[in-house]
Amino acid sequence: SQQGEEDPQALSIQEGENATMNCSYKTSINNLQWYRQNSGRGLVHLILIRSNEREKHSGRLRVTLDTSKKSSSLLITASRAADTASYFCATDSGGSNYKLTFGKGTLLTVNP
Amino acid sequence: DAGITQSPRHKVTETGTPVTLRCHQTENHRYMYWYRQDPGHGLRLIHYSYGVKDTDKGEVSDGYSVSRSKTEDFLLTLESATSSQTSVYFCAISEPGGRVYEQYFGPGTRLTVT
Repeated sequence: SQQGEEDPQALSIQEGENATMNCSYKTSINNLQWYRQNSGRGLVHLILIRSNEREKHSGRLRVTLDTSKKSSSLLITASRAADTASYFCATDSGGSNYKLTFGKGTLLTVNP
Repeated sequence: DAGITQSPRHKVTETGTPVTLRCHQTENHRYMYWYRQDPGHGLRLIHYSYGVKDTDKGEVSDGYSVSRSKTEDFLLTLESATSSQTSVYFCAISEPGGRVYEQYFGPGTRLTVT
């Protein structure tokens, strides 16, 4: 069963606008990661936020984590057409097996 | 693609035939994973390995087996392919303790079972 659930399922914006995607999860986590997948390609790791962190930045990406609400958000600022992709959150619940549980993803379309 | 290759990249097979997919890495990472990706389901873990000859089941392991006889190779076998196993299969690797917990993905194998 899916641990993370992204919202919305699909998002369409214009170039230059900001895009916000949300992820909710059910059980306690060790860390939460965001991945991007371009059409027909494998997933690419974007950013990891640990359970004791509340916010993290990487370039145009900003991730927040609220463990009390079991939710995370990914903000992409000043979006570009090249940001068009599916975005997935993945949770790691700890333990020694280092398994990730992925959500179903948000399809982001950035129109030029 | 972080030194991960998958073969074949595309395969069409008939129901009831065995199929083996190969994942090869050049990173010497200890952990390797097999996922399937289907519309509406995202990525689901099939099996994973935490070392040579050390494997365990994931969320959707029925109908699949794996083997890892060398660090660099992780094989996924569909013992008797069914149409429900039509999917895109991704291999991933990680090395907790290095780039902790991040997984690096291969390009995927598109499998069609007719």
